[in-house]
Amino acid sequence: KAGVTQTPRYLIKTRGQQVTLSCSPISGHRSVSWYQQTPGQGLQFLFEYFSETQRNKGNFPGRFSGRQFSNSRSEMNVSTLELGDSALYLCASSRQRKPTDTQYFGPGTRLTVL
Amino acid sequence: GEDVEQSLFLSVREGDSSVINCTYTDSSSTYLYWYKQEPGAGLQLLTYIFSNMDMKQDQRLTVLLNKKDKHLSLRIADTQTGDSAIYFCAEVGDYKLSFGAGTTVTVRA
Repeated sequence: KAGVTQTPRYLIKTRGQQVTLSCSPISGHRSVSWYQQTPGQGLQFLFEYFSETQRNKGNFPGRFSGRQFSNSRSEMNVSTLELGDSALYLCASSRQRKPTDTQYFGPGTRLTVL
Repeated sequence: GEDVEQSLFLSVREGDSSVINCTYTDSSSTYLYWYKQEPGAGLQLLTYIFSNMDMKQDQRLTVLLNKKDKHLSLRIADTQTGDSAIYFCAEVGDYKLSFGAGTTVTVRA
């Protein structure tokens, strides 16, 4: 069974631009979560989607948004990029939306904002 | 489920055991996890323990859980150079994971 896939793996943007990142969960998984990893803040929760609905959101500005499609694939969007948005963005999927469901992570998208 | 704490660095000789410690905050966490991250890679699930267990062994990995003290540890037996990585403990609360800052394990020959 294929793991979580994320595209693109690397991205370079300039301040003020916007970016869209994509995540395909493990087949049969319906919940997708996004995390941001930076050297200063560590791993922080962005949001969680289940059945095409955002169920949970972390403490990030409205420039960060996302969506989930009927096939459980998810995208996240960051508008008006800032230098501080440079990070590794990780997507994780789990089978259902249960606290006992393990989250499996993709390889991440490395975003660099110049 | 905030402020999961870990020591930042651990240096261990090849063949010795490594012990990584973690304290968590949410006593209602049902599962506690250990993830491994190698340079330039995502997070790899290593093991997890259910909150009603004290210990779990999985090949070279042993997880100990002390619920009273909210203390979690990961022991890696016979540490190899391939074990050099950053190790994160995480607790789950409200369907999201809260991570510690990560422990960088360096294995020296």
